Amino acid sequence: EVQLLESGGDLVQPGGSLRLSCAASGFTFGSSAMSWVRQAPGKGLEWVSGISTSGDSAFYAGSVKGRFTISRDNSKNTLFLQMNNLRAEDTAVYYCAKGNSPQDYWGQGTLVTVSS
Amino acid sequence: DIVMTQSPDSLALSLGETATINCRSSQTVLHSSNNKNYLAWYQQRPGQPPKLLIYWASTRGSGVPDRFSGSGSGTDFTLTISSLQAEDVAVYYCQQYYGAQLTFGGGTKVEIK
Repeated sequence: EVQLLESGGDLVQPGGSLRLSCAASGFTFGSSAMSWVRQAPGKGLEWVSGISTSGDSAFYAGSVKGRFTISRDNSKNTLFLQMNNLRAEDTAVYYCAKGNSPQDYWGQGTLVTVSS
Repeated sequence: DIVMTQSPDSLALSLGETATINCRSSQTVLHSSNNKNYLAWYQQRPGQPPKLLIYWASTRGSGVPDRFSGSGSGTDFTLTISSLQAEDVAVYYCQQYYGAQLTFGGGTKVEIK
């Protein structure tokens, strides 16, 4: 059974940083592209970032490019999202998802709140 | 970026009726190299993460009931839910994965009348 468990969400001040993690199990992690998708409270879905199987290629939404960095550790079956210079508009539930074209399994999400 | 526009924003139907949700992309998502439409549909039930329903515009995901069907090509797509069930109450999103930057439609909320 595919399982994706996000962690690292927290309350952070504007301009602060946070690192999200996603522990994957139940599939061959190193053979799957991965992605992050977020959902602001009461709003729709927004794709944030995707990464290739090896981690050599990464893609970002324009709203986070230059501030967020996606990475992965295939030896530990873990996906990461480093978020810097956070803004109020980054407040959302962040979902880790297997695949990037499209996303075929999703975690339960972790809440990031950016507020002073 | 490719803009995805869904309609309607919401609809309320009786059990057993057919729901039709439309999605339009600002440019084609049909790739000429493989003749595939890079279009997916997701279902998000209240309080739950999204679930993949349809990919390549018309291929059902794993375990998805056959009352869900996808159609369309190029820039215009439709998700049809036949014989609406209580468990189909959810928000449905289309998504294009043609470009390097993926984008979602705004969502369509389906309720039971």
